[in-house]
Parts: sequence; C-alpha cells; structure tokens
Amino acid sequence: GQNIDQPTEMTATEGAIVQINCTYQTSGFNGLFWYQQHAGEAPTFLSYNVLDGLEEKGRFSSFLSRSKGYSYLLLKELQMKDSASYLCAGSGNSGYALNFGKGTSLLVTP
Amino acid sequence: EADIYQTPRYLVIGTGKKITLECSQTMGHDKMYWYQQDPGMELHLIHYSYGVNSTEKGDLSSESTVSRIRTEHFPLTLESARPSHTSQYLCASSESSRGVGQPQHFGDGTRLSIL
Repeated sequence: GQNIDQPTEMTATEGAIVQINCTYQTSGFNGLFWYQQHAGEAPTFLSYNVLDGLEEKGRFSSFLSRSKGYSYLLLKELQMKDSASYLCAGSGNSGYALNFGKGTSLLVTP
Repeated sequence: EADIYQTPRYLVIGTGKKITLECSQTMGHDKMYWYQQDPGMELHLIHYSYGVNSTEKGDLSSESTVSRIRTEHFPLTLESARPSHTSQYLCASSESSRGVGQPQHFGDGTRLSIL
C-alpha cells in the first residue's frame, strides 16, 4: 500500500471554504484520486491528479505536489449536501488498482 | 451515470451457506474490482481483474473467490459464510484504453450480514 493519511473528521459552515489534506508515500506513485461517499452510498469520482499543480472543477479543486507526497481537496461555497466522506486514493505500481485512505468525514453546519 | 449493478443490495444469511454476490457492468470496461468496506473504515481491495480469464488477489486477504468468464460479469463467491464476512462489498470497473488515470465507477454495494 501507499500509507494514505488524511484527517478523520472536519466541520465547516455552509458557504465557507474547506481544505482536506492527504499525504501518501511517494514510492511507486502513479496518480491520486479523490472520491466523495455519502453515508450508505457508493463512492463517486471527483478528481484525478498526476502532475503537480491545481485542477479546478467548479466548486471543487484538487492540488498535488509529487515531491512532497501531498494533495488537498478544496471545496468552496459549501452546501449542506457536501456533508459526506471524502476519500483520497493512490494509484500505485499495479497501475489500475487503488489504495484508499480511511476517508475524511466532513460535516457542513448551517 | 455509471452503469454498474450489484445484487443483492442486502443479504442476511446463516453461517455455512454458499453465497455469490453479483456484479455486472454495461460499459465494456475491461478492468473490474471488488472492495470490502466496514462502517467508517477504508475500502480494501480484495480482488481485481484486468480482463476475461484474468483475476488477481488484492491487498486484503479474503476467503472469497472471483471469476471473469465474460467482460461484463465479475461475481464474488464465499463457499462457506462466517460472521467475520459481515461487511459491505463494493464492485467497481474502469477502462484502460486511455491509461491509468481513468476513474473507477462503483456499484451501490451489497451489505452482507452473516448470522
């Protein structure tokens, strides 16, 4: 595995911005994914980064630093429906199979 | 919306029974995966397949077996269910024609409870 590490829980206010960090071991790294998973539902794909820098997709952006083994997911203009678990996953030597972190449970409050 | 289906959604069954969890996708993806996820915990890869007649074990040791006779179908079987097999099982698929950066699409999962 790639020892994916991310905070267990975060709380933020509706309308605010939140950054969810993820660190991973750099050996055998082949790209990093972010998924969103609502309670009792399947994970859904949010973003993929393989090169350094920021990828923006509407209210969600994802950043990667390969040299530091670090990524973050930035959520802007938070909505109540953004309350979910956010999963960081690394793509390793096997190429297609992913190593998932434990997920960060985000609670958005009014 | 991804077209990947898992049945059953929920299964409560007694110890010692043989169980097959079904997973089918209609996207023609050659890569398919099975993950196990306990509540509040990470997804653990238990099996994957890179195409017909190809199956590999994942990082988490599992007593289950899989088969891939057709591209669209990737069933998971437990020969003799035990309470330790109680968990959620998620199936996923991805294409590979455009490299490793293709996202995995997940089914809704099967919640398995062994009494």
